[in-house]
Amino acid sequence: AQTVTQSQPEMSVQEAETVTLSCTYDTSESDYYLFWYKQPPSRQMILVIRQEAYKQQNATENRFSVNFQKAAKSFSLKISDSQLGDAAMYFCAYSPIQGAQKLVFGQGTRLTINP
Amino acid sequence: DAGVIQSPRHEVTEMGQEVTLRCKPISGHNSLFWYRQTMMRGLELLIYFNNNVPIDDSGMPEDRFSAKMPNASFSTLKIQPSEPRDSAVYFCASRIARETQYFGPGTRLLVL
Repeated sequence: AQTVTQSQPEMSVQEAETVTLSCTYDTSESDYYLFWYKQPPSRQMILVIRQEAYKQQNATENRFSVNFQKAAKSFSLKISDSQLGDAAMYFCAYSPIQGAQKLVFGQGTRLTINP
Repeated sequence: DAGVIQSPRHEVTEMGQEVTLRCKPISGHNSLFWYRQTMMRGLELLIYFNNNVPIDDSGMPEDRFSAKMPNASFSTLKIQPSEPRDSAVYFCASRIARETQYFGPGTRLLVL
């Protein structure tokens, strides 16, 4: 069974600084998707970024980028120029390409932004 | 687009009562997922529909839980009878083909 591990329960960063959230996963599949979702206090799950495993290039979305290391099964999220609105729980998630494609989530990392 | 719509947003009920959670997926999406989020277990998939047909219900905790999708624009998750350990946030998500799942705002359920 696939598993996703986020080893940092909490992280904090100064406003305008850069922070990296870690995620590792375990799978025997060669093709799959990886995601980072953000959950602010409102509880809404918001997609931050998505990576297809077959793509060599790391995904980027404005201030958010990933470092995808397929061989190491590592998928970290870098947030540049942190803003107060980035404060939230961040969940790393895995989805196979075949079958049900259901999401498997990590435990989450709570990110605090210090003004 | 309005996004995934869930109702109610909050529900407080007493143990033994029936609870019905509702979800309207994004128009055109053909897959729908129900997740539950608790402090102890995190986010876990309960059931997954594809083209209105339940495909994987292995995550449904027990017979007290049931889910239906009578048409492409509506799904329900029912708990009967409810128990305090069912207290959680329940999310509905929808997707088209192999694209990203988009989540609704969730229903916060408290069973007293």
